[in-house]
Amino acid sequence: AQRVTQPEKLLSVFKGAPVELKCNYSYSGSPELFWYVQYSRQRLQLLLRHISRESIKGFTADLNKGETSFHLKKPFAQEEDSAMYYCALKGGSEKLVFGKGTKLTVNP
Amino acid sequence: EAQVTQNPRYLITVTGKKLTVTCSQNMNHEYMSWYRQDPGLGLRQIYYSMNVEVTDKGDVPEGYKVSRKEKRNFPLILESPSPNQTSLYFCASSSILEPGLFFGSGTQLSVL
Repeated sequence: AQRVTQPEKLLSVFKGAPVELKCNYSYSGSPELFWYVQYSRQRLQLLLRHISRESIKGFTADLNKGETSFHLKKPFAQEEDSAMYYCALKGGSEKLVFGKGTKLTVNP
Repeated sequence: EAQVTQNPRYLITVTGKKLTVTCSQNMNHEYMSWYRQDPGLGLRQIYYSMNVEVTDKGDVPEGYKVSRKEKRNFPLILESPSPNQTSLYFCASSSILEPGLFFGSGTQLSVL
């Protein structure tokens, strides 16, 4: 079974501080992992895919198969990063399973 | 402009009155899906479709129907809505080759 766990419902940091949003997954095969972001009153947007290994808006995420994690990191948080973040996993089928999300608040 | 369009954005209805939420995408995507978003539960998949005339159940399909007669459209049908279907609904689509999802703006449904 595919499962995504985001252990923190809420995360609050100050502007300029590093931020890490945790994501752990459960899947027996080779997963595809994603991070989606939802700014207030807006649609969800794809932020990162692990296969592209890119940095978007200063965020990076590395797939750690040993720890089955795909944590999202940014060295210096900005106020505009405040949003809801969802980790998602796609296994062998086309079904995409989402975590329950972490609400990030970046305080001035 | 590439987009997924949902209508309506807001809908208030009463128990038992059939309704349809429309979803249309202009990117020629094969894959389309419906999710509901509830506080504390995140996004849960209702139904998805791999292509025309191919649909399958997600995690919470009870009380919903879908159809995929055309590639661009994927309507969500509630034959007899109940209050527990009050939620924020999102339609999404993607290409089989590029699996990142494009989401619609959402439909806030209230069933009284």
